[in-house]
Amino acid sequence: AQTVTQSQPEMSVQEAETVTLSCTYDTSESDYYLFWYKQPPSRQMILVIRQEAYKQQNATENRFSVNFQKAAKSFSLKISDSQLGDAAMYFCAYRSGRYGGSQGNLIFGKGTKLSVKP
Amino acid sequence: ETGVTQTPRHLVMGMTNKKSLKCEQHLGHNAMYWYKQSAKKPLELMFVYSLEERVENNSVPSRFSPECPNSSHLFLHLHTLQPEDSALYLCASSQERGDTQYFGPGTRLTVL
Repeated sequence: AQTVTQSQPEMSVQEAETVTLSCTYDTSESDYYLFWYKQPPSRQMILVIRQEAYKQQNATENRFSVNFQKAAKSFSLKISDSQLGDAAMYFCAYRSGRYGGSQGNLIFGKGTKLSVKP
Repeated sequence: ETGVTQTPRHLVMGMTNKKSLKCEQHLGHNAMYWYKQSAKKPLELMFVYSLEERVENNSVPSRFSPECPNSSHLFLHLHTLQPEDSALYLCASSQERGDTQYFGPGTRLTVL
């Protein structure tokens, strides 16, 4: 079974600085998808970024980028020019590339709480 | 209104009450999901509906009863809950099962 591990329960960053959140996963599959979701205090789970495992290029969305290391099964999220609004819980998630049965389900890590200091 | 909405946002109920959570998606998606989020635990998938048919039930107690009358609406009927059922209940939808999921704001449930 696949697992997702976020080893940093809490992180802190100074406003305007850069922070990297770690995520590792375990799978025997070669085709899969990885996600970072953000959950601010409002509790709305928001999709931040998505990475297809077959793509070597790291995904980027404005100030958010990932460092996808397939061999190492690592999927870290880098937030550049951190803003106060970035303060939230960040969840890493895995989904199989297969669509049958429960294989299409998301598997989440426990999350990392990010604080942004003004 | 766009995206995925959930009502109520907060709910306090006694163990003998019956209540329902509602989820509505305005994205034209065909799959909908219920998740439970408890403190310091990963999100737990409860139910999956695809084209209004329940396709997955992850060993959820029968005191939780889902209903999907159409592809835009999903309900979670609650009865005789336990205090340990207190949690944030999140609804999500995706174009098809397995596609990228979009979440609602959640219902914070407290069982007294």
